[in-house]
Amino acid sequence: AQSVAQPEDQVNVAEGNPLTVKCTYSVSGNPYLFWYVQYPNRGLQFLLKYITGDNLVKGSYGFEAEFNKSQTSFHLKKPSALVSDSALYFCAVRDMKTGGFKTIFGAGTRLFVKA
Amino acid sequence: SQTIHQWPATLVQPVGSPLSLECTVEGTSNPNLYWYRQAAGRGLQLLFYSVGIGQISSEVPQNLSASRPQDRQFILSSKKLLLSDSGFYLCAWSVQGWNTEAFFGQGTRLTVV
Repeated sequence: AQSVAQPEDQVNVAEGNPLTVKCTYSVSGNPYLFWYVQYPNRGLQFLLKYITGDNLVKGSYGFEAEFNKSQTSFHLKKPSALVSDSALYFCAVRDMKTGGFKTIFGAGTRLFVKA
Repeated sequence: SQTIHQWPATLVQPVGSPLSLECTVEGTSNPNLYWYRQAAGRGLQLLFYSVGIGQISSEVPQNLSASRPQDRQFILSSKKLLLSDSGFYLCAWSVQGWNTEAFFGQGTRLTVV
């Protein structure tokens, strides 16, 4: 079955420090991976995606993600965290087994950035 | 540019009452449309998706239904709400294709009392 796992419920970092939000995936075939962010009482916003090509993907707001095929991971990173980055982050994968119409989301990781 | 509108933002409904949530997309044609429910600010559960007018796929059997009467309109309905229907409902759209990201509405906070 296609799935994504976000092993951390919560990540705490100090402002200015680098941050990593972890994601691992399990798919048959090539993975199509996404990261989204959700602020309180709002819809999700797209951050970045990996389809093919370079393993390091750059996205919005200074975020980037590294695709690692051997470790089946797609961790979200940012060199210097801001307090405003505090939010709920979702990793997601396209469910290609059902034709790619559906996206499977992880459970989410809550990021707290302390000033 | 494309926009997605979802309303209302909040809704308090008594048990047993009907429900109608509406979502419309502007600036694109023939989008994939989705309804999700998010419980307790965590994971998303896909409820319905649609790849075209009148084409609805249901993911979770329940007392909710969805309809797509027009290309860019997606409606979530219930004839009789249950307490367990409370949650945060999100509409989303994506361009047809497997490598495309989804764009979400602002969500509807439904409380069934």
